[in-house]
Amino acid sequence: NAGVTQTPKFQVLKTGQSMTLQCAQDMNHNSMYWYRQDPGMGLRLIYYSASEGTTDKGEVPNGYNVSRLNKREFSLRLESAAPSQTSVYFCASDDRVFSDGYTFGSGTRLTVV
Amino acid sequence: GDSVTQMEGPVTLSEEAFLTINCTYTATGYPSLFWYVQYPGEGLQLLLKATKADDKGSNKGFEATYRKETTSFHLEKGSVQVSDSAVYFCALSGNDYKLSFGAGTTVTVRA
Repeated sequence: NAGVTQTPKFQVLKTGQSMTLQCAQDMNHNSMYWYRQDPGMGLRLIYYSASEGTTDKGEVPNGYNVSRLNKREFSLRLESAAPSQTSVYFCASDDRVFSDGYTFGSGTRLTVV
Repeated sequence: GDSVTQMEGPVTLSEEAFLTINCTYTATGYPSLFWYVQYPGEGLQLLLKATKADDKGSNKGFEATYRKETTSFHLEKGSVQVSDSAVYFCALSGNDYKLSFGAGTTVTVRA
């Protein structure tokens, strides 16, 4: 089925460890996004990629890096995980031309201990 | 910058009750407005959208009207079911195409 695929679904890290969250979409969308969801705060944009080859900071970029590997894939890296990065992470994509809203992945639940 | 404010929850209703979730926004220009729904353990799904003033978005019995004069996009459903239990997010997309979300409203419908 067409959509946005995120891996892994769950992850536990120790403080200071690093990891990469993977995201891939098969809808030929130009734009991709990484959000984090925390209770009572809605979704906050971490980084986004308006098109292949470009990335920009969102509202809460500190402690994260991203790579737009190709048109399909957009990864999020935590270089040195902190407990404050415990959250649910969502990847999304869209086609800006048609303004149909985003298609979201099913999320990665990350716990940093 | 662009922002969305939606009514706080949680909201608990009985089956067949009327549901309203208020949403107001602040934005420059003419944003597109969205309601997303998140069922337990899942990602967000687009519920409905409106792209210009006075547009009405509708889906699965839910409706919302883009009111530019009151900068609002309230979500309504006339008769909720247990399967409507979820978290609902109001969002807007401005000139930069990025989505800004409200905090989310948790709705629980009891049989």
